[in-house]
Amino acid sequence: EVQLVESGGNLVHPGRSLRLSCTASGFPFGDYGLSWFRQAPGKGLEWVGFIRSKTYGGTTEYAASVKGRFTISRDDSESIAYLQMNSLKTEDTAMYFCTRHGGAADFDYWGQGTLVTVSS
Amino acid sequence: DIQMTQSPSSLSASVGDRVTITCRASQSMAIYVNWYQQTPGKAPNLLIYAASSLQSGVPSRFSGRGSGTDFTLTISSLQPEDFATYYCQETYSIPYTFGQGTKVEIK
Repeated sequence: EVQLVESGGNLVHPGRSLRLSCTASGFPFGDYGLSWFRQAPGKGLEWVGFIRSKTYGGTTEYAASVKGRFTISRDDSESIAYLQMNSLKTEDTAMYFCTRHGGAADFDYWGQGTLVTVSS
Repeated sequence: DIQMTQSPSSLSASVGDRVTITCRASQSMAIYVNWYQQTPGKAPNLLIYAASSLQSGVPSRFSGRGSGTDFTLTISSLQPEDFATYYCQETYSIPYTFGQGTKVEIK
């Protein structure tokens, strides 16, 4: 069974950092790209960024709103993807989801999400 | 960036009704559209990918159509568990933009 489990969400002050994890199981993690999405309270869904599989260079892409502050990495030996978030702003407050792509359907499985609250 | 204009933003319907939600893209994207269902406090659940392919495990009352710039999601006979918010998403290019969502409520 494919599973993605996010963790690491917390309440943090503006300007601080936080690292989220996405732990995967049930599929060949290294063969898939991983995306992070977020959803602010009561709002719609927003793509944050993704990391390609090593087959495609393991390179990353980011939304303009987080570029230069957020970094995605992956540890294929542990089947974990990370979202390092620096210089957090109040507008980064959201539920953060990870999802995979590269199969028949992109974004077919999602984790349950982890909540990040940025507030003083 | 591609813009996805979804309509209506909300609708009221009864169990057994046929419901159609529309999404229009700001530029042509072949069939690179997903549709999701989301209930409060849960992650989005993929219903349709590549505009018209039914995701495994999704009931056949859900169907998708379209190509280019105009796409639709249809629920042929609304069931109690279908009251939720639905989103379209372009999967053609980053930033993989979503529509604004359609909240389906009980009439």
